[in-house]
Amino acid sequence: IAGITQAPTSQILAAGRRMTLRCTQDMRHNAMYWYRQDLGLGLRLIHYSNTAGTTGKGEVPDGYSVSRANTDDFPLTLASAVPSQTSVYFCASSGGAGRADTQYFGPGTRLTVL
Amino acid sequence: QKEVEQDPGPLSVPEGAIVSLNCTYSNSAFQYFMWYRQYSRKGPELLMYTYSSGNKEDGRFTAQVDKSSKYISLFIRDSQPSDSATYLCAMSEFQGAQKLVFGQGTRLTINP
Repeated sequence: IAGITQAPTSQILAAGRRMTLRCTQDMRHNAMYWYRQDLGLGLRLIHYSNTAGTTGKGEVPDGYSVSRANTDDFPLTLASAVPSQTSVYFCASSGGAGRADTQYFGPGTRLTVL
Repeated sequence: QKEVEQDPGPLSVPEGAIVSLNCTYSNSAFQYFMWYRQYSRKGPELLMYTYSSGNKEDGRFTAQVDKSSKYISLFIRDSQPSDSATYLCAMSEFQGAQKLVFGQGTRLTINP
């Protein structure tokens, strides 16, 4: 069982370019999340999805979009990257057997926007 | 003011010491409290989970919640070098409301 996988592991991106961060889970969890982690600011929620076909905005959604076409995949898109989007991005999921609000995290994607 | 405040450290202690990590919060509606551990260049993983006030013990780890003071703690006994990580507190209002609010994380180093 892989849990949550994220791709790419790291990426350097020119400002203005479009980028999609991929996230896949194999735990059949209903809910999925995207966070960014910045030094001194902790984890901040970007977007979330309670179930396939629905999405919602978190604390810092501007400049990001998501889709949830199926249970397993939850891609995060930066339409036109800016240097302030340099961060470590974590995908997480929750739901299924056990506590609904226990979130399981992927290994992260380190993104640098120049 | 952030909803959840956590001293980012860094905190450095000798092996075998008792470690105390803390968070304060402002939202009195929080009922579910969690501690996540994050090793360097890895994703966070759930360490402890408590509901409402009280203590919960799991091996060398004890989580404490004081809702009257809006204060939660994580104690690590007989600390080991393998405990070196960043510890993040997290909390939510409802069991089914998956939107957690995280503290900034405290970076802990246990020195052999």
